Amino acid sequence: KAGVTQTPRYLIKTRGQQVTLSCSPISGHRSVSWYQQTPGQGLQFLFEYFSETQRNKGNFPGRFSGRQFSNSRSEMNVSTLELGDSALYLCASSAQGNEQFFGPGTRLTVL
Amino acid sequence: GEDVEQSLFLSVREGDSSVINCTYTDSSSTYLYWYKQEPGAGLQLLTYIFSNMDMKQDQRLTVLLNKKDKHLSLRIADTQTGDSAIYFCAERGNQGGKLIFGQGTELSVKP
Repeated sequence: KAGVTQTPRYLIKTRGQQVTLSCSPISGHRSVSWYQQTPGQGLQFLFEYFSETQRNKGNFPGRFSGRQFSNSRSEMNVSTLELGDSALYLCASSAQGNEQFFGPGTRLTVL
Repeated sequence: GEDVEQSLFLSVREGDSSVINCTYTDSSSTYLYWYKQEPGAGLQLLTYIFSNMDMKQDQRLTVLLNKKDKHLSLRIADTQTGDSAIYFCAERGNQGGKLIFGQGTELSVKP
């Protein structure tokens, strides 16, 4: 069974731009969660989607948004990028919620 | 509030046992997890324990949970150089799939 895939793996943007990251969960998994990992703040929860509905949201500004499609693939969008948005963005997929499997992440650099 | 704490570093000799400790504050935790992260990679799920269990063993890994003290530990038997990585403890409360992570413990295994 293929694991969680995330595209792109690396991204370089400049301040003020916007970015869209994509996550394809493990086949059959309907829950997708997103996390931001930075050296200073560690791993922080962004949001969770289940069956195309946002089920949970972390404490991030409205510039961070996401959605989930009918095939369970998910995208997250960050608008008006700031230098502090540079991070590794990780996506996790889950079937029942107890086991969460992470993808390799997208490394975003904002210049 | 929700908080998960880990010590930042642990150094052991190859062949010894490693014990990584974690404390959490959320008394409504349902599952507790251990993840491993190697440089440049995503998070690999090592094992998890349901909150009504006090021990789980999986090959070289033993998880102990003291729910009264909100203390979780991961013991790695016969530690190998390939076990060198950052280990994250995480807890899942009753808010869907949201995970709260500790800061990570960097395990260094010396030959």
